[in-house]
Amino acid sequence: RKEVEQDPGPFNVPEGATVAFNCTYSNSASQSFFWYRQDCRKEPKLLMSVYSSGNEDGRFTAQLNRASQYISLLIRDSKLSDSATYLCVVNTGGFKTIFGAGTRLFVKA
Amino acid sequence: NAGVTQTPKFQVLKTGQSMTLQCAQDMNHEYMSWYRQDPGMGLRLIHYSVGAGITDQGEVPNGYNVSRSTTEDFPLRLLSAAPSQTSVYFCASSGRGTPNYGYTFGSGTRLTVV
Repeated sequence: RKEVEQDPGPFNVPEGATVAFNCTYSNSASQSFFWYRQDCRKEPKLLMSVYSSGNEDGRFTAQLNRASQYISLLIRDSKLSDSATYLCVVNTGGFKTIFGAGTRLFVKA
Repeated sequence: NAGVTQTPKFQVLKTGQSMTLQCAQDMNHEYMSWYRQDPGMGLRLIHYSVGAGITDQGEVPNGYNVSRSTTEDFPLRLLSAAPSQTSVYFCASSGRGTPNYGYTFGSGTRLTVV
């Protein structure tokens, strides 16, 4: 079993739609959690950290469920510019950071 | 504010050649790391450093060497290139000496070994 698993997609959604991605992790001792966005042939960029209480940044909401060992990302009112690959990232303690393989999102007009 | 700068952006090597990928950051970050990204796989950690003079191996260190003589620079050396090292390489840094606060990535080096 991979340490961090994501549905690879692709998710194809129309503009204005709400879309949610889930990510599961295997190490219950994991300490910090992130979502990154990666555009085609570009470097990953930090989208948001994920906190136990859940957190929101504009149209983006991230949730952490430690009991079930998954994190989620909700995007509301999707824009064409949201089309990208979204990477789930888990820090398992110390200096070990595990990246998921990513979920591809296509937002169409 | 340049952030993390990687050079070169593209490189083609012949099997057996060696080369150094350069990485520099101007944010005074203590933590720096090298990842490779292959299709269908997450980024995998090659080597990392928590400060000048300190380096350690990540998940896939074989065939690569690193050094950290200054806070700013963290070069990655391929000792004897193999086709399996064809990949996109990213350098990343993080403040406060730990990846717990998220990474800033360089723009990547696309390496092809023929």
